Amino acid sequence: NAGVTQTPKFQVLKTGQSMTLQCAQDMNHEYMSWYRQDPGMGLRLIHYSVGAGITDQGEVPNGYNVSRSTTEDFPLRLLSAAPSQTSVYFCASSNDGGTAFFGQGTRLTVV
Amino acid sequence: GEDVEQSLFLSVREGDSSVINCTYTDSSSTYLYWYKQEPGAGLQLLTYIFSNMDMKQDQRLTVLLNKKDKHLSLRIADTQTGDSAIYFCAVLNAGNNRKLIWGLGTSLAVNP
Repeated sequence: NAGVTQTPKFQVLKTGQSMTLQCAQDMNHEYMSWYRQDPGMGLRLIHYSVGAGITDQGEVPNGYNVSRSTTEDFPLRLLSAAPSQTSVYFCASSNDGGTAFFGQGTRLTVV
Repeated sequence: GEDVEQSLFLSVREGDSSVINCTYTDSSSTYLYWYKQEPGAGLQLLTYIFSNMDMKQDQRLTVLLNKKDKHLSLRIADTQTGDSAIYFCAVLNAGNNRKLIWGLGTSLAVNP
């Protein structure tokens, strides 16, 4: 059972570089979300999608873009990486918004 | 806006019961959740309760909901070292584009 798959697991970027964090789910879930987790800050919602072709901003969207061309995939793009984007990123999917399945996370360091 | 609050740390002895508390502000929350995060891993759904319930029990886990006080608790009976993790409380407002509102998490340390 794959569930939610995130790649890569670890990444180091230089300031100004761009990259895409991949997220795929095989449960046919409508809802998908991207969070970042920082010490003392809990989980903060970056972007979310309620279905293919529909995306919306969360509480910390600046510096990130998303798209949802298929139900399965929800990539997160960092346009120009900054040290403040050093974090652990989690993708989650859900059929009802609440019972979410999380990926294993991507640990990103921006130097 | 909506807010969910939890104490940040809890330390218990192995075999004792743990009680993790959570308060929330949104009275229209429909579902309330407890998630567990082990070190280096993603979050995993532990249990949830619907807002018209007062209590839900699942093996060693008991969830209590006091809707009047907007207070949710998770009790873990016979706490084991494998229960050491961060526990997140989250609430869902079905009308708010179904976005979860998260607490900051309670780090549970179980001492032998």
